[in-house]
Amino acid sequence: SQQGEEDPQALSIQEGENATMNCSYKTSINNLQWYRQNSGRGLVHLILIRSNEREKHSGRLRVTLDTSKKSSSLLITASRAADTASYFCATVSGYSTLTFGKGTMLLVSP
Amino acid sequence: SQTIHQWPATLVQPVGSPLSLECTVEGTSNPNLYWYRQAAGRGLQLLFYSVGIGQISSEVPQNLSASRPQDRQFILSSKKLLLSDSGFYLCAWTMDRVGYGYTFGSGTRLTVV
Repeated sequence: SQQGEEDPQALSIQEGENATMNCSYKTSINNLQWYRQNSGRGLVHLILIRSNEREKHSGRLRVTLDTSKKSSSLLITASRAADTASYFCATVSGYSTLTFGKGTMLLVSP
Repeated sequence: SQTIHQWPATLVQPVGSPLSLECTVEGTSNPNLYWYRQAAGRGLQLLFYSVGIGQISSEVPQNLSASRPQDRQFILSSKKLLLSDSGFYLCAWTMDRVGYGYTFGSGTRLTVV
């Protein structure tokens, strides 16, 4: 069963703009992770935030986690055409099994 | 450095034929190994995971099976494929503890005809 639900399902922006994707989940977690998938390729791990963390940065990525609301957001600043991909949130509970949402398709136009 | 290899990249198989997808990890020992399936336009569904040689946990009962004959080898099999088995199959590994990201293979696009 899927734990995370991303919002929006699709997002279209211009280069240089910021992109924000949201994720909601249902049960308690150990950590939450964000992945990127280019069309027809495998997933690439972007960032992991633990349940006792509220915010984390990695380059142009900023992730927040609100465990009281069971939600997370991924912000990509100054988007580039190369950021065009699907983005998935995934939660870990129990013994290291990732549960994925359906993803957000991001299109960044030059 | 650790690498994960998954093959073949694409596969077209007739209904009722057998299936064998292989995944190997290099540069680490005793990894947790996973098989996921991604249907078109959807998220990833966990099929099997393994925390050690010969240890397989199934998440979704179906006509697929998995085996781990060696520490860094994970195989997904089927005796008779169904049309509904079509999809994008991804192998992944992580360290044997919570708090690490997963590393995914490049995937196998399976089309059952």
